[in-house]
Amino acid sequence: EAGVTQFPSHSVIEKGQTVTLRCDPISGHDNLYWYRRVMGKEIKFLLHFVKESKQDESGMPNNRFLAERTGGTYSTLKVQPAELEDSGVYFCASSQDRLAVVTGELFFGEGSRLTVL
Amino acid sequence: AQSVSQHNHHVILSEAASLELGCNYSYGGTVNLFWYVQYPGQHLQLLLKYFSGDPLVKGIKGFEAEFIKSKFSFNLRKPSVQWSDTAEYFCAVSFSYNFNKFYFGSGTKLNVKP
Repeated sequence: EAGVTQFPSHSVIEKGQTVTLRCDPISGHDNLYWYRRVMGKEIKFLLHFVKESKQDESGMPNNRFLAERTGGTYSTLKVQPAELEDSGVYFCASSQDRLAVVTGELFFGEGSRLTVL
Repeated sequence: AQSVSQHNHHVILSEAASLELGCNYSYGGTVNLFWYVQYPGQHLQLLLKYFSGDPLVKGIKGFEAEFIKSKFSFNLRKPSVQWSDTAEYFCAVSFSYNFNKFYFGSGTKLNVKP
């Protein structure tokens, strides 16, 4: 069974440019999460989709970030325009169970590293 | 605001040494506690978890962790590390008021010298 896949694995862009990160969850997983780790700090929650709906987007830092999950399958996270402080590793995770943060049945991708110059 | 603290950012050990990584959280209510590990070039994976019951939990690869409620701690231990344990370890907590998200610590990089 394929795991959570993220693309690209590494993106280097200049300040002011746009980047779109993609996450393909495990097939059948309705729950999809985005997390971010900036500069070796803690991994922070960005948002949670249930199918195509945003269940919780309280962690989105500002309106330069747009997450979508059309059709409830893969998700994209767009940063426009990118700023230096957006550099970090963006993790995607998926789960079948909505209470995955209780059960621990949350499956992570390898992350997309974003470098903004 | 609730937070999760990992005190050791980088630990270097020789093989066969014992390991203890600290994790503390700030919240007086019900919590679920986890340790995740990220091996080089791989995804985060669950090492062990605590919900309730016996505060000493055992995970994969010989790891264990002890929940001490009075100290708000969930320290990870392994009696004898191996070179293959070289990885980054993250403590994660979910809080009873919001089961949509994990709160992670800042991670501890463990280097085991062969």
